[in-house]
Amino acid sequence: GAVVSQHPSRVICKSGTSVKIECRSLDFQATTMFWYRQFPKQSLMLMATSNEGSKATYEQGVEKDKFLINHASLTLSTLTVTSAHPEDSSFYICSARGFTSGLSGTGELFFGEGSRLTVL
Amino acid sequence: SQQGEEDPQALSIQEGENATMNCSYKTSINNLQWYRQNSGRGLVHLILIRSNEREKHSGRLRVTLDTSKKSSSLLITASRAADTASYFCATANTGKLIFGQGTTLQVKP
Repeated sequence: GAVVSQHPSRVICKSGTSVKIECRSLDFQATTMFWYRQFPKQSLMLMATSNEGSKATYEQGVEKDKFLINHASLTLSTLTVTSAHPEDSSFYICSARGFTSGLSGTGELFFGEGSRLTVL
Repeated sequence: SQQGEEDPQALSIQEGENATMNCSYKTSINNLQWYRQNSGRGLVHLILIRSNEREKHSGRLRVTLDTSKKSSSLLITASRAADTASYFCATANTGKLIFGQGTTLQVKP
């Protein structure tokens, strides 16, 4: 299946700093990428949808100035957690959908391995 | 926003037994998908069933969909210890995937 790479897999930072997480589609062009957040033993909460070349669409309750999303190319989307605080500590997962065969519309998504953020 | 409710929340069975997980949702859907997540890892797509389908098989997996009841079930037959993971249903509508709360499955060897 298609490969989505997420980096870094783990990051520890001090409160007040900003952290950038990258999501890359390695073998297909991802016109749409999704960012999810997952707390321990809970489900995935959709944070935002990013389309290449346009502004991200954020879900209700997600602060767009807090979680900056950039989808500058068909293979890369980034999530920047700005001025991180301990309550931002979580598991962030990206997923991608493209227009190659079998990946269009609302078909299956391909997920990165996730990034665990710990804010001290 | 979450719209899927899954039960049971946790399931513990012996190797070789079958495992059944249920998912209910609230809105209309284009399709419903099941994913698996090993602890601390990303998600792996298992199977997709379209809104006009009632049942689908893939290896040891069997998925049913009842759109009148807005529910789906995932059956894993002849379970193995390696099936231990969390399983999530996800509903697709308006281009987004919304996940259920998940079922944590433990298969004891």
